[in-house]
Amino acid sequence: TQLLEQSPQFLSIQEGENLTVYCNSSSVFSSLQWYRQEPGEGPVLLVTVVTGGEVKKLKRLTFQFGDARKDSSLHITAAQPGDTGLYLCAGAASNYQLIWGAGTKLIIKP
Amino acid sequence: NAGVTQTPKFQVLKTGQSMTLQCAQDMNHNSMYWYRQDPGMGLRLIYYSASEGTTDKGEVPNGYNVSRLNKREFSLRLESAAPSQTSVYFCASRTSGSNTDTQYFGPGTRLTVL
Repeated sequence: TQLLEQSPQFLSIQEGENLTVYCNSSSVFSSLQWYRQEPGEGPVLLVTVVTGGEVKKLKRLTFQFGDARKDSSLHITAAQPGDTGLYLCAGAASNYQLIWGAGTKLIIKP
Repeated sequence: NAGVTQTPKFQVLKTGQSMTLQCAQDMNHNSMYWYRQDPGMGLRLIYYSASEGTTDKGEVPNGYNVSRLNKREFSLRLESAAPSQTSVYFCASRTSGSNTDTQYFGPGTRLTVL
């Protein structure tokens, strides 16, 4: 059974600090996606990574896919209150199906 | 362009009651999905429809049935609700079956079974 473990489960920091959240597995994924979910809404895609070692940047967010395609990280520089939300990673399993991590709940305090 | 819409937004049922959750998308997507989200467990796939006229079981299909009514609509039915089905239900769609495509989610249905 493929599993994706996210850490930490919960993170509360001050505005302006940097942070990294992790998405780890013992399985290899052909691709991995990061979504952000705000309270009362569905998840929204942030990025898709496909190649081992790939790094993608989205403004202050940096996403990395591990060389072996078993793990990924999300680094936020100078966090802002608007970054608050639940961050979910999802790995490509069989056709049509994604395996989802349980999420990291991030709170950025002003 | 409304994206993915779900009805109802909230529902309270008694054990044994039945109900149908409705989902529609206006993006001309081929694939549609039903997930449930429980605290600490992430999203779990209930059923999916790769294309109009086909449906397949996901990770947690027991107690649920689905209908792909047409390309736009994908409904989820609980025939005899149980407290274990208390959850937030999300419908999603994407262009095709490729796992690099974006999944677009509806706003969710919050279901409580007493």
